[in-house]
Amino acid sequence: DTGVSQNPRHKITKRGQNVTFRCDPISEHNRLYWYRQTLGQGPEFLTYFQNEAQLEKSRLLSDRFSAERPKGSFSTLEIQRTEQGDSAMYLCASSLPVGQGTYEQYFGPGTRLTVT
Amino acid sequence: QKEVEQDPGPLSVPEGAIVSLNCTYSNSAFQYFMWYRQYSRKGPELLMYTYSSGNKEDGRFTAQVDKSSKYISLFIRDSQPSDSATYLCAPLRSTDKLIFGTGTRLQVFP
Repeated sequence: DTGVSQNPRHKITKRGQNVTFRCDPISEHNRLYWYRQTLGQGPEFLTYFQNEAQLEKSRLLSDRFSAERPKGSFSTLEIQRTEQGDSAMYLCASSLPVGQGTYEQYFGPGTRLTVT
Repeated sequence: QKEVEQDPGPLSVPEGAIVSLNCTYSNSAFQYFMWYRQYSRKGPELLMYTYSSGNKEDGRFTAQVDKSSKYISLFIRDSQPSDSATYLCAPLRSTDKLIFGTGTRLQVFP
Protein backbone atom coordinates (compact mmCIF):
# COMPACT_ATOMS: atom_id res chain seq x y z
CA ASP A 1 0.00 0.00 0.00
CA THR A 2 1.57 3.27 -1.12
CA GLY A 3 -0.97 5.62 0.48
CA VAL A 4 -0.63 7.79 3.57
CA SER A 5 -0.33 5.70 6.72
CA GLN A 6 -0.97 6.71 10.32
CA ASN A 7 -0.20 5.00 13.60
CA PRO A 8 -1.72 4.17 15.92
CA ARG A 9 -5.23 3.95 14.50
CA HIS A 10 -6.80 4.28 17.92
CA LYS A 11 -5.48 5.69 21.17
CA ILE A 12 -7.24 5.83 24.51
CA THR A 13 -5.48 7.84 27.17
CA LYS A 14 -6.21 9.40 30.53
CA ARG A 15 -6.44 13.12 30.99
CA GLY A 16 -3.05 14.62 31.66
CA GLN A 17 -1.04 12.02 29.76
CA ASN A 18 1.09 12.76 26.71
CA VAL A 19 0.41 11.09 23.37
CA THR A 20 2.32 10.95 20.08
CA PHE A 21 0.99 10.09 16.64
CA ARG A 22 2.96 9.24 13.54
CA CYS A 23 2.22 9.91 9.88
CA ASP A 24 4.06 8.46 6.87
CA PRO A 25 3.20 10.38 3.70
CA ILE A 26 3.21 9.15 0.11
CA SER A 27 6.90 8.85 -0.75
CA GLU A 28 7.24 11.50 -3.45
CA HIS A 29 5.10 14.05 -1.59
CA ASN A 30 7.07 16.81 0.10
CA ARG A 31 4.09 18.54 1.71
CA LEU A 32 2.49 17.08 4.82
CA TYR A 33 -0.57 18.38 6.64
CA TRP A 34 -2.25 17.70 9.97
CA TYR A 35 -5.98 18.21 10.46
CA ARG A 36 -8.32 17.50 13.36
CA GLN A 37 -11.91 16.32 12.97
CA THR A 38 -14.53 16.21 15.70
CA LEU A 39 -17.84 14.40 15.45
CA GLY A 40 -20.23 15.95 12.96
CA GLN A 41 -17.69 18.47 11.70
CA GLY A 42 -15.35 18.69 8.75
CA PRO A 43 -11.59 18.46 9.28
CA GLU A 44 -9.89 21.61 10.59
CA PHE A 45 -6.37 22.56 9.59
CA LEU A 46 -3.71 22.35 12.30
CA THR A 47 -0.34 22.71 10.60
CA TYR A 48 1.69 21.82 7.52
CA PHE A 49 5.24 21.12 6.46
CA GLN A 50 7.12 21.52 3.26
CA ASN A 51 9.99 19.09 3.58
CA GLU A 52 11.20 19.57 7.16
CA ALA A 53 10.07 23.20 7.46
CA GLN A 54 6.86 23.88 9.36
CA LEU A 55 5.28 26.68 7.33
CA GLU A 56 2.06 27.41 9.15
CA LYS A 57 0.36 26.64 12.45
CA SER A 58 -3.31 27.20 13.18
CA ARG A 59 -4.47 29.06 16.26
CA LEU A 60 -6.10 25.72 17.16
CA LEU A 61 -2.61 24.38 17.84
CA SER A 62 -2.12 25.37 21.46
CA ASP A 63 1.21 25.25 23.28
CA ARG A 64 0.42 21.68 24.30
CA PHE A 65 0.64 20.58 20.67
CA SER A 66 3.87 20.15 18.77
CA ALA A 67 4.55 18.69 15.35
CA GLU A 68 7.84 17.70 13.78
CA ARG A 69 9.10 16.36 10.50
CA PRO A 70 12.80 16.02 11.20
CA LYS A 71 14.05 14.55 7.94
CA GLY A 72 11.30 15.66 5.64
CA SER A 73 9.75 12.21 5.53
CA PHE A 74 7.47 11.02 8.36
CA SER A 75 5.94 13.42 10.86
CA THR A 76 4.92 13.19 14.49
CA LEU A 77 2.23 15.11 16.34
CA GLU A 78 2.54 15.22 20.11
CA ILE A 79 -0.10 16.38 22.55
CA GLN A 80 1.08 17.07 26.08
CA ARG A 81 -1.17 17.03 29.16
CA THR A 82 -4.16 15.81 27.18
CA GLU A 83 -7.62 17.22 27.93
CA GLN A 84 -11.02 15.73 27.18
CA GLY A 85 -11.50 18.38 24.52
CA ASP A 86 -8.59 16.87 22.59
CA SER A 87 -10.71 13.80 21.81
CA ALA A 88 -11.00 13.78 18.02
CA MET A 89 -9.79 12.12 14.83
CA TYR A 90 -6.34 13.37 13.87
CA LEU A 91 -5.84 13.22 10.13
CA CYS A 92 -2.66 13.47 8.12
CA ALA A 93 -2.53 14.34 4.42
CA SER A 94 0.23 14.77 1.88
CA SER A 95 0.60 16.40 -1.51
CA LEU A 96 3.10 16.89 -4.31
CA PRO A 97 5.38 19.93 -4.33
CA VAL A 98 3.78 23.20 -5.37
CA GLY A 99 4.41 23.87 -9.03
CA GLN A 100 3.84 20.33 -10.21
CA GLY A 101 0.42 21.31 -11.44
CA THR A 102 -1.69 19.61 -8.82
CA TYR A 103 -2.81 20.55 -5.34
CA GLU A 104 -4.56 17.35 -4.38
CA GLN A 105 -4.17 16.34 -0.77
CA TYR A 106 -4.43 12.64 0.02
CA PHE A 107 -5.50 11.65 3.49
CA GLY A 108 -4.53 8.78 5.72
CA PRO A 109 -7.00 6.71 7.75
CA GLY A 110 -6.61 8.92 10.82
CA THR A 111 -5.80 8.33 14.48
CA ARG A 112 -8.83 8.37 16.74
CA LEU A 113 -7.95 9.78 20.16
CA THR A 114 -10.18 9.30 23.17
CA VAL A 115 -9.24 11.11 26.37
CA THR A 116 -10.96 9.73 29.46
CA GLN B 1 -19.67 33.46 9.54
CA LYS B 2 -17.92 30.25 8.50
CA GLU B 3 -15.83 30.41 5.34
CA VAL B 4 -17.60 27.34 3.93
CA GLU B 5 -21.22 26.44 4.63
CA GLN B 6 -22.67 23.04 3.88
CA ASP B 7 -26.03 21.53 4.80
CA PRO B 8 -25.26 18.62 7.15
CA GLY B 9 -28.25 16.55 6.02
CA PRO B 10 -28.87 13.69 6.26
CA LEU B 11 -30.05 13.41 2.69
CA SER B 12 -31.90 10.19 2.00
CA VAL B 13 -32.60 9.11 -1.60
CA PRO B 14 -33.64 5.91 -3.39
CA GLU B 15 -31.14 3.98 -5.49
CA GLY B 16 -30.88 5.41 -9.01
CA ALA B 17 -31.74 8.97 -8.00
CA ILE B 18 -29.75 12.03 -9.01
CA VAL B 19 -28.19 13.62 -5.95
CA SER B 20 -27.25 17.26 -5.64
CA LEU B 21 -24.85 18.30 -2.88
CA ASN B 22 -24.06 21.96 -2.36
CA CYS B 23 -21.78 24.39 -0.55
CA THR B 24 -21.42 28.13 -0.37
CA TYR B 25 -18.23 29.97 0.49
CA SER B 26 -17.30 33.50 1.38
CA ASN B 27 -13.68 33.96 0.29
CA SER B 28 -13.49 35.09 -3.33
CA ALA B 29 -9.77 34.22 -3.40
CA PHE B 30 -10.45 30.47 -3.49
CA GLN B 31 -9.39 28.99 -6.83
CA TYR B 32 -9.42 25.21 -6.35
CA PHE B 33 -12.46 23.36 -5.09
CA MET B 34 -12.19 19.78 -3.85
CA TRP B 35 -14.82 17.19 -3.08
CA TYR B 36 -14.03 14.42 -0.63
CA ARG B 37 -16.05 11.37 0.34
CA GLN B 38 -15.72 10.01 3.86
CA TYR B 39 -17.05 6.71 5.09
CA SER B 40 -17.75 6.31 8.78
CA ARG B 41 -14.55 6.24 10.86
CA LYS B 42 -12.31 6.48 7.79
CA GLY B 43 -10.14 9.23 6.34
CA PRO B 44 -11.52 11.48 3.58
CA GLU B 45 -11.05 10.19 0.04
CA LEU B 46 -10.55 12.69 -2.77
CA LEU B 47 -13.29 12.36 -5.40
CA MET B 48 -12.47 15.19 -7.75
CA TYR B 49 -11.62 18.86 -7.92
CA THR B 50 -12.18 21.82 -10.20
CA TYR B 51 -10.21 24.93 -10.87
CA SER B 52 -12.05 28.26 -10.95
CA SER B 53 -15.54 28.27 -12.47
CA GLY B 54 -17.04 25.60 -14.66
CA ASN B 55 -17.93 21.93 -14.72
CA LYS B 56 -15.90 18.76 -14.45
CA GLU B 57 -17.25 15.28 -15.01
CA ASP B 58 -15.85 11.95 -13.83
CA GLY B 59 -18.06 8.94 -14.41
CA ARG B 60 -21.27 9.38 -12.43
CA PHE B 61 -19.93 12.48 -10.66
CA THR B 62 -20.06 16.08 -11.88
CA ALA B 63 -18.54 18.99 -9.96
CA GLN B 64 -19.67 22.51 -10.68
CA VAL B 65 -18.38 25.87 -9.45
CA ASP B 66 -20.06 29.23 -9.87
CA LYS B 67 -17.60 31.81 -8.60
CA SER B 68 -19.98 34.72 -9.23
CA SER B 69 -22.38 33.34 -6.62
CA LYS B 70 -19.70 31.49 -4.58
CA TYR B 71 -21.62 28.25 -4.99
CA ILE B 72 -20.16 24.73 -5.32
CA SER B 73 -22.12 21.65 -6.35
CA LEU B 74 -21.53 17.94 -6.70
CA PHE B 75 -24.01 15.86 -8.69
CA ILE B 76 -24.18 12.09 -8.47
CA ARG B 77 -26.08 10.29 -11.22
CA ASP B 78 -27.59 6.83 -10.82
CA SER B 79 -26.81 6.83 -7.10
CA GLN B 80 -25.91 3.50 -5.49
CA PRO B 81 -26.11 2.26 -1.90
CA SER B 82 -22.29 2.24 -1.93
CA ASP B 83 -22.42 6.04 -2.37
CA SER B 84 -23.80 6.31 1.18
CA ALA B 85 -21.20 8.40 2.97
CA THR B 86 -20.46 11.95 4.09
CA TYR B 87 -19.48 14.33 1.29
CA LEU B 88 -17.18 17.21 2.16
CA CYS B 89 -16.57 20.25 0.00
CA ALA B 90 -13.19 21.86 0.54
CA PRO B 91 -11.94 24.96 -1.22
CA LEU B 92 -8.18 25.28 -1.18
CA ARG B 93 -6.79 28.46 0.32
CA SER B 94 -3.86 29.61 -1.78
CA THR B 95 -1.69 26.51 -2.27
CA ASP B 96 -1.84 25.16 1.22
CA LYS B 97 -4.70 24.43 3.52
CA LEU B 98 -8.11 23.04 2.76
CA ILE B 99 -11.12 24.75 4.31
CA PHE B 100 -13.76 22.09 4.86
CA GLY B 101 -17.51 22.37 5.16
CA THR B 102 -19.24 20.34 7.84
CA GLY B 103 -20.07 17.61 5.32
CA THR B 104 -23.42 16.32 4.06
CA ARG B 105 -24.40 12.83 5.09
CA LEU B 106 -25.95 10.93 2.18
CA GLN B 107 -27.96 7.75 2.49
CA VAL B 108 -28.94 5.82 -0.65
CA PHE B 109 -31.45 3.12 0.08
CA PRO B 110 -32.11 0.12 -2.21
